[in-house]
Amino acid sequence: QKEVEQDPGPLSVPEGAIVSLNCTYSNSAFQYFMWYRQYSRKGPELLMYTYSSGNKEDGRFTAQVDKSSKYISLFIRDSQPSDSATYLCAMSDIGNEKLTFGTGTRLTIIP
Amino acid sequence: EPEVTQTPSHQVTQMGQEVILRCVPISNHLYFYWYRQILGQKVEFLVSFYNNEISEKSEIFDDQFSVERPDGSNFTLKIRSTKLEDSAMYFCAGSWGRTDTQYFGPGTRLTVL
Repeated sequence: QKEVEQDPGPLSVPEGAIVSLNCTYSNSAFQYFMWYRQYSRKGPELLMYTYSSGNKEDGRFTAQVDKSSKYISLFIRDSQPSDSATYLCAMSDIGNEKLTFGTGTRLTIIP
Repeated sequence: EPEVTQTPSHQVTQMGQEVILRCVPISNHLYFYWYRQILGQKVEFLVSFYNNEISEKSEIFDDQFSVERPDGSNFTLKIRSTKLEDSAMYFCAGSWGRTDTQYFGPGTRLTVL
């Protein structure tokens, strides 16, 4: 079983739709959970950072962490064409600094 | 807003040659990282660096790789003898604390011929 699994997509939705992106993981030691956005041939850009279980909201973005199910989600409300990118989940544990990434989900918002 | 910069943006080299990838992290960052992303694959951790020494490294980071912070601002990744499979995007990142947000640079695309 891979340490972090993420549906690679591609995922296409119409502008204005709610988008749901998900990752599952196997390492119960993970405590820190992040969502990065990556445009083609660019570096990952941090969107959301959460610690342990719970929800966090920032504008149109909501991150959810369910540690009991080892499942994290990113919701994008009122999606815009500019949201078209690859979304990477990443996580780390308390013991070390390295981030373990999912494979990324390629998202296209259709105007 | 401060940002991580990386040079060059694209490096082409012959197999067996040495390459040095350069990064200028955000000032006041204390932890530094290199990751790589082979085309179509996930971002993979290579090494973390703190207080002028390697704090963690992955299996990928073998004796062909080395890192250095020569002058307090630049952070470099050296590959001594490049292989075809080293072709990838290499990302530098930095953070203020061990579990703080990591900020990534735009990457250097390394092509080994």
